[in-house]
Amino acid sequence: DQQVKQNSPSLSVQEGRISILNCDYTNSMFDYFLWYKKYPAEGPTFLISISSIKDKNEDGRFTVFLNKSAKHLSLHIVPSQPGDSAVYFCAASASAGGTSYGKLTFGQGTILTVHP
Amino acid sequence: KAGVTQTPRYLIKTRGQQVTLSCSPISGHRSVSWYQQTPGQGLQFLFEYFSETQRNKGNFPGRFSGRQFSNSRSEMNVSTLELGDSALYLCASSLGWGFNTEAFFGQGTRLTVV
Repeated sequence: DQQVKQNSPSLSVQEGRISILNCDYTNSMFDYFLWYKKYPAEGPTFLISISSIKDKNEDGRFTVFLNKSAKHLSLHIVPSQPGDSAVYFCAASASAGGTSYGKLTFGQGTILTVHP
Repeated sequence: KAGVTQTPRYLIKTRGQQVTLSCSPISGHRSVSWYQQTPGQGLQFLFEYFSETQRNKGNFPGRFSGRQFSNSRSEMNVSTLELGDSALYLCASSLGWGFNTEAFFGQGTRLTVV
């Protein structure tokens, strides 16, 4: 039972254009969502997060949108740069009693390639 | 400040042996979580420790165990290694309390079982 899904295994974008990475979830208890970037043989690097009380969060070139009714979130990267080429994972967690527990459920990842 | 440190970076073990991996979290972080990454299964949650207590556990057999020390450092142990245990093992640290706390990952330990 995959509770977090990234249906696009790969995405190819031209430098300077927008990259849009999508993620769907099924567990309505999830209330905190994160995006990570990962290079092979390294640990994931935290990019940006969003709480379920918001529908948008922005940090520089990265914006995450959350549509709770559709149980869908997306990561927008504008403008895309060749250095953004990596695997992107979305992750979700469920809090309890006002505490975010350290258990993340990850999607399968999307390989982003940004061409010069 | 220093990030999450995992040791060793690489390990080669034989089937049937046991292995212990170590993780030092970011200073001030009390939660340490462990994940297994394989090509087929992606990133799978193993367990989380907070203040020396296991707070969450994933769906892994009892051969996988862990512990956390009073300084928040954590170890993960895998006994009776199987070929399928070959993976990248990642440790993540977070505050462990309060809402909206990000998890920061170490570089991982690449375990190869032969």
